[in-house]
Parts: sequence; C-alpha cells; structure tokens
Amino acid sequence: KNQVEQSPQSLIILEGKNCTLQCNYTVSPFSNLRWYKQDTGRGPVSLTIMTFSENTKSNGRYTATLDADTKQSSLHITASQLSDSASYICVVSALWNDYKLSFGAGTTVTVRA
Amino acid sequence: GAGVSQSPSNKVTEKGKDVELRCDPISGHTALYWYRQRLGQGLEFLIYFQGNSAPDKSGLPSDRFSAERTGESVSTLTIQRTQQEDSAVYLCASSLDGWYEQYFGPGTRLTVT
Repeated sequence: KNQVEQSPQSLIILEGKNCTLQCNYTVSPFSNLRWYKQDTGRGPVSLTIMTFSENTKSNGRYTATLDADTKQSSLHITASQLSDSASYICVVSALWNDYKLSFGAGTTVTVRA
Repeated sequence: GAGVSQSPSNKVTEKGKDVELRCDPISGHTALYWYRQRLGQGLEFLIYFQGNSAPDKSGLPSDRFSAERTGESVSTLTIQRTQQEDSAVYLCASSLDGWYEQYFGPGTRLTVT
C-alpha cells in the first residue's frame, strides 16, 4: 500500500478560482513533506518543503499546510491561472532516510478559461 | 545555470533489447537519484548515489536493472532484456547532498514494443 495518498485524483477549475488538494501519509518517523508541481513532459519542480515544526508555508499563490498529528497536508492554490494546469505531487521522507522520498500519485489540475 | 539533463528524451525499443539512459546532474551536486514513473502512478525510487559511498540499490526492481556513476558526474541506467512492463518515464534528480532539495531532469520516456 502506498504510504502517500492524494485526493482528488483530478479536478477542473475555472481561471481565477481557488482549489485545495489533499494529502494523507503514513510515513514514519516523519522528516519532511514537500509539494511538487509537474508540468506535462517535464520533471517535478519543488513548491514547498515543511518539517515537523512547520504547519504552513507559502510560495506565491501556493499555500501548503501540515498537520503532523493527523498526518495530513493540503495545498491551496489561490486565484488560479492557466499556467497552474499540472500534476501536483505530495512527497514525504522519513527520518534517517531523508533521501528516500515517498511519492503520491499526484492530483491533476486543469484550469480552464 | 544548467539544470539536470537526460538523454535521450524518448526511446522506443523492441522487447528483449538492452537500453542505456543517461543523466547529467547539476555541477557540484554529490547526490544523484533515479526514479521510474509509470502512467498514472507515483514516482518509484530506483537507486541513489552519494559521493564515493556505495549506492543504495534497494529500489531496483530486478537484476536486469543496473546503474553506474562516474565520480560525481554522469550516470547511466541500463536495462537489459527489456520487457513491456519496463515502459515508463525514467527521471533523474540531483542534489547538493542527500537531505537537500532534489532537482529533476525532464525524463526519458521509454516504450518497449
């Protein structure tokens, strides 16, 4: 069973609207959680990284939250743009094995004009 | 500066043939990773190189898969006697060290016919 589960699998939103993506994980002991954006045909690009003590982090219109107690994270996209159309991947690493990342399957976001 | 580059970008091969995929990491990055991304699935860890340490090969799916790295530069991932289930995008990433941010290449799309 995958240690990182994301929902929804895909979503469609209108340009200018907001959306929130969810991530649940079972990786333990927890080290950090990252959100990546992957455009079609490209490699993933980091958006945010949060450690145990952080519960929110922003990168422009992207805001990630982390609840390490419930092992949940969310990524909120504000005022979506057409360029936000991509796959958003939640990635978690465990202590003592920081380099070995566990990837969610991603949420595909499509922004329509 | 230059990012992680991979070649070829696309490779179509016949079942049973051997293939070699190449990764050029960011200069100065001591850590290098290979991942496999099957359609609709999350990235799977394959192998990790860190400086002159023995690589972590725990993610390689079978003995048909092998990888080498020359010092702290180029890496090649070799798949022998390819099977149709090997069809996937193979992504390479590099980082300053095992804990630091991983920067991904664009990937090589392998299709085994």
